[in-house]
Amino acid sequence: TQLLEQSPQFLSIQEGENLTVYCNSSSVFSSLQWYRQEPGEGPVLLVTVVTGGEVKKLKRLTFQFGDARKDSSLHITAAQPGDTGLYLCAGVRETGANNLFFGTGTRLTVIP
Amino acid sequence: NAGVTQTPKFQVLKTGQSMTLQCAQDMNHEYMSWYRQDPGMGLRLIHYSVGAGITDQGEVPNGYNVSRSTTEDFPLRLLSAAPSQTSVYFCASSYSLSRGHGYTFGSGTRLTVV
Repeated sequence: TQLLEQSPQFLSIQEGENLTVYCNSSSVFSSLQWYRQEPGEGPVLLVTVVTGGEVKKLKRLTFQFGDARKDSSLHITAAQPGDTGLYLCAGVRETGANNLFFGTGTRLTVIP
Repeated sequence: NAGVTQTPKFQVLKTGQSMTLQCAQDMNHEYMSWYRQDPGMGLRLIHYSVGAGITDQGEVPNGYNVSRSTTEDFPLRLLSAAPSQTSVYFCASSYSLSRGHGYTFGSGTRLTVV
C-alpha cells in the first residue's frame, strides 16, 4: 500500500485543456512537494507547500495543500505539449522518520 | 555546478554479481538518499543519510548496503544481484527536508540483472 495515492494514473488531453491531478493520503504531512520527471532524467522539483490551505502558483500551474495537510492537488490551465511528463507528489510525514515519500505518479500527455 | 552525479548510467549484471553505484554531490547537502523507480510504483526509498557517518534504512533496504564517509559521496552497494533488483536507481540530496527544502536528483542508473 502506497502512503500517497495519485489520481489519475494516466491522463491524455488536447492542447489548451485544463486538468487537475490529485494526491491523497491518510497521513498528515509537514510538507508536500511536486516534481516533474522527463524520460531518462531524474525528477525536478516544481514546488513545496508547508501550510494547510496554502496555494502556490507557478505560471499556469496551481498547487494547493489541503487544510488538514493530508492531500494536495495540481491544476494546469491551458495545457501545452511542453507540460507532458510524469508528475510526482512527495511528502515528509509529520511524525516518524524525516524521509520523503513519493506518490505513484501521474503520466500526462498533451496532444498538440 | 554539477549538482548530483551518478555513475554508471547503464549496467547489466548477472545474478549473484556485486557492484557499487556511485553518487556524488557538490552542494554541501547533509541529506542524501537512494531511491528505486519501478513502473506503477513511483519512487521507493532504499537507504538514506542525514550526514557523514550516519545512515539508515528506508522502505526497501534488503539486498543493499550504503556508507557515508564524506558529505559529498553516498555509494550504494548491491551485495548479490537478483532479477528483482532490475530497476532505475536515483540518488538525491537536500539541504534539509525538515524546512521543506526539496531534493536535487541525479539522472539515474538503469540496472538490469539477468
